[in-house]
Amino acid sequence: SQKIEQNSEALNIQEGKTATLTCNYTNYSPAYLQWYRQDPGRGPVFLLLIRENEKEKRKERLKVTFDTTLKQSLFHITASQPADSATYLCALPLGSSYKLIFGSGTRLLVRP
Amino acid sequence: EAGVVQSPRYKIIEKKQPVAFWCNPISGHNTLYWYLQNLGQGPELLIRYENEEAVDDSQLPKDRFSAERLKGVDSTLKIQPAELGDSAVYLCASSFSGERTDTQYFGPGTRLTVL
Repeated sequence: SQKIEQNSEALNIQEGKTATLTCNYTNYSPAYLQWYRQDPGRGPVFLLLIRENEKEKRKERLKVTFDTTLKQSLFHITASQPADSATYLCALPLGSSYKLIFGSGTRLLVRP
Repeated sequence: EAGVVQSPRYKIIEKKQPVAFWCNPISGHNTLYWYLQNLGQGPELLIRYENEEAVDDSQLPKDRFSAERLKGVDSTLKIQPAELGDSAVYLCASSFSGERTDTQYFGPGTRLTVL
C-alpha cells in the first residue's frame, strides 16, 4: 500500500545551522510533492511545490529536492531561526486525482 | 484577502451530543475540503467538494457524519451523535481547481473535545 514517512522524532538544531527534513514514500509515483508548515493551533500553510521533472526548487532560505529514484524529498532551511520552529508536512497527490495524502510531519526546534 | 474562516475554534461536548462546524473558503475557490487531524498526525481527508458537489466522500463515516455545501460557498460538517474517538481537530481547506497542483489553503481548524 502507499505510504509516506517523515521522521517522527523532533529535529533540534542551533540557530544559524541548516535544517534538513526528510520525506520518503513508497508505492507512489507522484507528479509533484508539496511541503507545508504547521504551527501549534493553526492549519498547515503551503510553502513549496516541486514537480517530478524538477531536481531542486528554492524559495528564499528554503530548498526542496525531489529524487524520484530514491522516492525521497529533502527539505532544507538554511540559516535557521527560532521563528522557523514548527511542524513541517510533506504531501503527495494520490494518482492523478486532486487528493493529497499528508505525512505525519516532523517537528523542527531551532534553539537561539 | 481573507483566508479560510472556521468556527467555532473550540468545542467541548458530551458523547452522543450533536456538533456542527462551519467553514467559509477563500473567495473564488471552488474546491473545498474537510480534514480530520489527530495529534501528531497529518490531515486526513473526510470529504471534498467541487462547487456544490461532493466528489470524494469515501473517507466520511456516513453513519454519523454529514456535510453540505449549499450554493457552492460555505460548508457545514456535522457529527451526530459524537463519540469519544471523534476528539480531534477538524480542518477546512479550499483551493482553485484551475490550478493543476491542488495547492490548498487551510483554516485554523476547530478543536473538538468529546467527554
